[in-house]
Amino acid sequence: LQLQESGPGLLKPSETLSLTCIVSGVSVSGSDYYWAWLRQPPGKGLEWIGGASYTGNAYYNPSLESRVAVSVDTSKNQFSLNLSLVTAADTSVYYCATYGTEQGGYFDSWGPGTLVIVSS
Amino acid sequence: SSELTQDPAVSVALGQTVRITCQGDSLRSYYPSWYQQKPGQAPLLIMHAKNYRPPGIPDRFSGSRSGGTGSLTITGAQAEDEADYYCSSRDTNSHHLLFGGGTKLTVL
Repeated sequence: LQLQESGPGLLKPSETLSLTCIVSGVSVSGSDYYWAWLRQPPGKGLEWIGGASYTGNAYYNPSLESRVAVSVDTSKNQFSLNLSLVTAADTSVYYCATYGTEQGGYFDSWGPGTLVIVSS
Repeated sequence: SSELTQDPAVSVALGQTVRITCQGDSLRSYYPSWYQQKPGQAPLLIMHAKNYRPPGIPDRFSGSRSGGTGSLTITGAQAEDEADYYCSSRDTNSHHLLFGGGTKLTVL
């Protein structure tokens, strides 16, 4: 299973960030995974953004819930992140990952990450 | 809101044993997952559930949980183990995921 993020690297404040994670090696509709997004500001720790199943169930970080949406496209075998009204605080490396729900949950496959900078 | 707490930094002499801990109320219900992150790389899952190591992870890594504290133990630390380590867990009674602030491990 391989994941690869794609999307713009530079945004202006108030714009909407749209990222896509291309999935290879497994069908997004053929597994029990949730498809997740995480981020890491430069020099800081990891933050879970949210995730969704191919059936449409989605869960989001309460601190971002009003601005975020994760969707799964089974026809293209990929999933996406939309984060609206970005500010400089959203500057981060964004990762897509698979999320297994057993026990306390775990993220077992990760994309390499993509740096998104928000600047005017 | 719930949170997970980790020591910011830990050091260990080469070949010795080190324990990295993670504290939080959610760990009274769930085993944490553990991630190793080296500079410029994506995190790597090294432990989850009750001491389950994904394929390729050396057996010098082990995990445990007691009360609200989860632990990652490295028995015989190697130079290549120098990295940042993060714990994660599902929040109790919700589908939200939590991360600890990370522990920077230095191998002396």
